[in-house]
Amino acid sequence: NAGVTQTPKFQVLKTGQSMTLQCAQDMNHEYMSWYRQDPGMGLRLIHYSVGAGITDQGEVPNGYNVSRSTTEDFPLRLLSAAPSQTSVYFCASTATGNQPQHFGDGTRLSIL
Amino acid sequence: GENVEQHPSTLSVQEGDSAVIKCTYSDSASNYFPWYKQELGKRPQLIIDIRSNVGEKKDQRIAVTLNKTAKHFSLHITETQPEDSAVYFCAASIGNQFYFGTGTSLTVIP
Repeated sequence: NAGVTQTPKFQVLKTGQSMTLQCAQDMNHEYMSWYRQDPGMGLRLIHYSVGAGITDQGEVPNGYNVSRSTTEDFPLRLLSAAPSQTSVYFCASTATGNQPQHFGDGTRLSIL
Repeated sequence: GENVEQHPSTLSVQEGDSAVIKCTYSDSASNYFPWYKQELGKRPQLIIDIRSNVGEKKDQRIAVTLNKTAKHFSLHITETQPEDSAVYFCAASIGNQFYFGTGTSLTVIP
């Protein structure tokens, strides 16, 4: 049982480059979310989805896009990378809003 | 939106002592309150959770209490061990969204 799988685990980008962080879950969860984790700031919600074809913005959505074409996959796109987007990114999934979230291992992203 | 505050930001205890971490939330509609433990370089992992219709829940050395009137909930770890050293996050859930506290770095001194 893989749970939530994130790729890549590490990435270094130059300012202005674009890239996609991948997230896949095999638990048939409807709800998926992307967070960024910065020192002293906890986990902040970027975007979330309540099912295939449905996405919404979280607390810090600027500079990021998401799509949800299938229940399993929820990719996060950085449109034009900026140094302020250097962070650790976590994807999470849950069956419903009042059930535990399952987190992936994270993607450590550095923007130079 | 919901605002979750967590205190203290750092906590050091002697092995065998108890540790208490407190969180407050702002929206009375929040109905689910999980606690996560995150070791260095690892993913957050659920250690205990509580729902709004329950006042207290215990799992071995870990317990969580919830006061809906005051809008605060607390994590209690008894008989702390060095392997309890980690960062702990509280969270509050409204509908489809989770709001996290800023974390408490717990160090258990052998």
